[in-house]
Amino acid sequence: DSGVTQTPKHLITATGQRVTLRCSPRSGDLSVYWYQQSLDQGLQFLIQYYNGEERAKGNILERFSAQQFPDLHSELNLSSLELGDSALYFCASSPYLRGTPDTQYFGPGTRLTVL
Amino acid sequence: QKEVEQDPGPLSVPEGAIVSLNCTYSNSAFQYFMWYRQYSRKGPELLMYTYSSGNKEDGRFTAQVDKSSKYISLFIRDSQPSDSATYLCAMPGANSKLTFGKGITLSVRP
Repeated sequence: DSGVTQTPKHLITATGQRVTLRCSPRSGDLSVYWYQQSLDQGLQFLIQYYNGEERAKGNILERFSAQQFPDLHSELNLSSLELGDSALYFCASSPYLRGTPDTQYFGPGTRLTVL
Repeated sequence: QKEVEQDPGPLSVPEGAIVSLNCTYSNSAFQYFMWYRQYSRKGPELLMYTYSSGNKEDGRFTAQVDKSSKYISLFIRDSQPSDSATYLCAMPGANSKLTFGKGITLSVRP
C-alpha cells in the first residue's frame, strides 16, 4: 500500500458527461501528479500541483482540469467525455525535495469507462 | 520519435531465467533513470533508480545505464513467478514529471 488513495475505483459513464476523480496524497507529501494510462499511449503525465499551485502541465486536454485543495487532496475533472477518454487515471504524490530524484508514490488508480 | 522507447512485449520466460528489459531515450537532459513495476490492477511502484552511467545492483535486480548510447537496461536474475508484472522505464524531467516507456509485460512460468 503506497499510502495514496484514489476514489472511485471504477467509473462508468456516458459520452458528453462530466466526472470528478479524487486523490489523497501520502501524509506529508506536498506534490500531486496526475497520469493517464491507456493501451495505445501508455502512461502519460497530465498535470502536477505543489502545495495548491499548478507546477507543470503535460498532455492534458482543455476539457480536463485539476486542482489541489488546502488539505492537499486533489481532484481531476473530466468534462464532455469521449470514448477515447476511457483509461486508467493514476494519482501520484511525492515530497518533492529539490536535488534528489523525486520518488513518486502511485495510488491504485481509477478506471474510467465511457460508453 | 518518442522521448522514451521500450522494447515491446509480452515476454514469457521459465522460472530461474535471466531477464533483460531495455529502453532507449532521446533527451540528453535526462539525468535519472528509473524502473517501475506494475502488478495487474495496481499502480506502478518504484523498483530502483540510477543517476550515472554504469551498473546498480539491488538483490536480484541490476539496472544499467549507458548514457553515450542513451540506452538503459534492467536485468532480473533467477526470475520468480512473483516477478510477473509490467515493467516501465521512466525518466524525470523538469519539475520531476515522469516520461514513461510503454512498458513490457513479463510472465515467469513456474
